[in-house]
Order: sequence, then structure tokens, then C-alpha cells
Amino acid sequence: SAVISQKPSRDICQRGTSLTIQCQVDSQVTMMFWYRQQPGQSLTLIATANQGSEATYESGFVIDKFPISRPNLTFSTLTVSNMSPEDSSIYLCSVRGTSGGNVGTQYFGPGTRLLVL
Amino acid sequence: AQSVTQPDIHITVSEGASLELRCNYSYGATPYLFWYVQSPGQGLQLLLKYFSGDTLVQGIKGFEAEFKRSQSSFNLRKPSVHWSDAAEYFCAVGGSTGTASKLTFGTGTRLQVTL
Repeated sequence: SAVISQKPSRDICQRGTSLTIQCQVDSQVTMMFWYRQQPGQSLTLIATANQGSEATYESGFVIDKFPISRPNLTFSTLTVSNMSPEDSSIYLCSVRGTSGGNVGTQYFGPGTRLLVL
Repeated sequence: AQSVTQPDIHITVSEGASLELRCNYSYGATPYLFWYVQSPGQGLQLLLKYFSGDTLVQGIKGFEAEFKRSQSSFNLRKPSVHWSDAAEYFCAVGGSTGTASKLTFGTGTRLQVTL
């Protein structure tokens, strides 16, 4: 399975500011995903990030609010821009396994817990 | 559009009792199905997955799930629950390739274990 790390693990931010979350994977992967989990809720996909192409955003999420970078096959960033208290959530990075018995399986990072005041 | 329904928001069982968490899905093609567990303050851990083949799949921590195509279900079971199993459980469905591989999650079932 893939080992995924995220930075920061948690943060408290002021409204109107931006935060960039980093996701690092220990192996090369084609597809990376960013999810949001609002307090007490399930996970919602924000966007799919493929290396070398623009991220594909889900309905309700826009690039101006959640810009994503994918500079190589092991790294991605998600920025939460112009934050408001409604952005307080856990943001999770996920990758799709590409070899052996892991093909098709999605593995998740530990998440970034964001509180916006 | 794909969707997942977990009809039980909250379940309480006694330690040592059996457990079944329900999951129903809607998907237009052959689904990839997953169960994840999330302990408080933790990320998601994969319990088990179904892609094809044997419809009864075994996972970690003594969990198993059965895929029933006719019922569009993928229920999670454990014969004897331990106090450490208390957590949030999410069922998810996705496809096999490309953008179809993105996951849709159910709303989760919170499991409480009484001693």
C-alpha cells in the first residue's frame, strides 16, 4: 500500500487568509484525489489531480477557491483560498494504487484539520 | 450517478456481540466497493474491498463483507466486536479506471461498543 503524508496536520487560520496543504506519496502515482470532510459529515470529493494536466473539479468546487498543483508523480498541493469559517474541515489526500493487489484501491493520508476563525 | 446509502447513522452493540453494518449502492457498471474505518482524530483505514470474484471478502481486524448484486448491497460483518472497534465506518463505491475511479462515500455509521 502507498504511504501518504500531509502537511500541516492541523492549523487554525483567520478568515480571509489562505492555507496550502501538501500531500507527499512514497511512490509514483498517476491519480491523486482531494476530499473534504466537514465536521460530523462524510467525505466529499473536491477534485482529481493528474500529473501534467489541470485538475478536474467536482460540482460545487471551483479552481479559484481550491487551486491545486501537481508538479510530479509523488506530490500535490491544495490551497484553500480566502477562507471563511465554513471551510473548517478535514482535508484528505488520496491516491489510487497502481500495482499488484493494490490496483484500484484508494489509500488516504492522515488528513489536515483546519479551523477557520 | 453513483451513490451509497448507509441507513444506520448510529449503532450500539455490546462487546462480544456480532455486528452487521448495512450498505446499499447505486452504480451503472461493475462497482468497486470499499469499507473504511475512521477512529476519532484519525484518517481513513481500508478494512476491505471487493472488485470481482468471490462475493465474500475478508478484511483486516476480523471483518468481512458480502457483495450481493441482486440487492445492490455490500454489508460489513464481524462475529465478535471488541471495544477497540468503536469508530466511524464508511462504505464507498467507485469505478475501475480513470475518472470513474473517484469514490462516492456513504454518510457513515458510528459504532459504539458497550462493555
